[in-house]
Amino acid sequence: DAKTTQPPSMDCAEGRAANLPCNHSTISGNEYVYWYRQIHSQGPQYIIHGLKNNETNEMASLIITEDRKSSTLILPHATLRDTAVYYCIVRVGYNTDKLIFGTGTRLQVFP
Amino acid sequence: NAGVTQTPKFQVLKTGQSMTLQCAQDMNHEYMSWYRQDPGMGLRLIHYSVGAGITDQGEVPNGYNVSRSTTEDFPLRLLSAAPSQTSVYFCASSWTGEGEGYTFGSGTRLTVV
Repeated sequence: DAKTTQPPSMDCAEGRAANLPCNHSTISGNEYVYWYRQIHSQGPQYIIHGLKNNETNEMASLIITEDRKSSTLILPHATLRDTAVYYCIVRVGYNTDKLIFGTGTRLQVFP
Repeated sequence: NAGVTQTPKFQVLKTGQSMTLQCAQDMNHEYMSWYRQDPGMGLRLIHYSVGAGITDQGEVPNGYNVSRSTTEDFPLRLLSAAPSQTSVYFCASSWTGEGEGYTFGSGTRLTVV
């Protein structure tokens, strides 16, 4: 699976959009971009995933560049409960056997 | 539908003791994995399984054994506990295709003294 690079930490004001970047320059054509988050010491939680097209669900939006070498997770209206470590992971979508976590981005949402 | 259930939630072991961390899922997922997370660190993959009877090593397998006799259960065995194995252990499961990816359990906090 391709390696990802994320900033170690970011801040965001409550109510504003949080834009979390991820670089995955060695991504292959059949590899998906997945985002998870871990709130405090809970188990990681799935947020969203995508292959080529931008994706949106009730939690977030995922913007993938045309060359697929980077992506951005957008939390449109960050709340204090969104304070967490966010992990960007690249993996094959089918016959996927394992998930390798990097160091992630620690997002702090402040009032 | 309970999701991924891990037991126990907390455990203290003495050095050299053995124990089994239990993980069960009721979603009929084929893929299951075990991770450890040390304080202030990210998750590291210990072992994983792509189906009953099939297991493989992850990033940090030494000191741990696994087996997968049923789809539902994926126990993690510590053979001879060491203080370096003090950590939070997470179990996760996933179905085989593209989708929401892995569902994680709430974790087992293990302290080895």
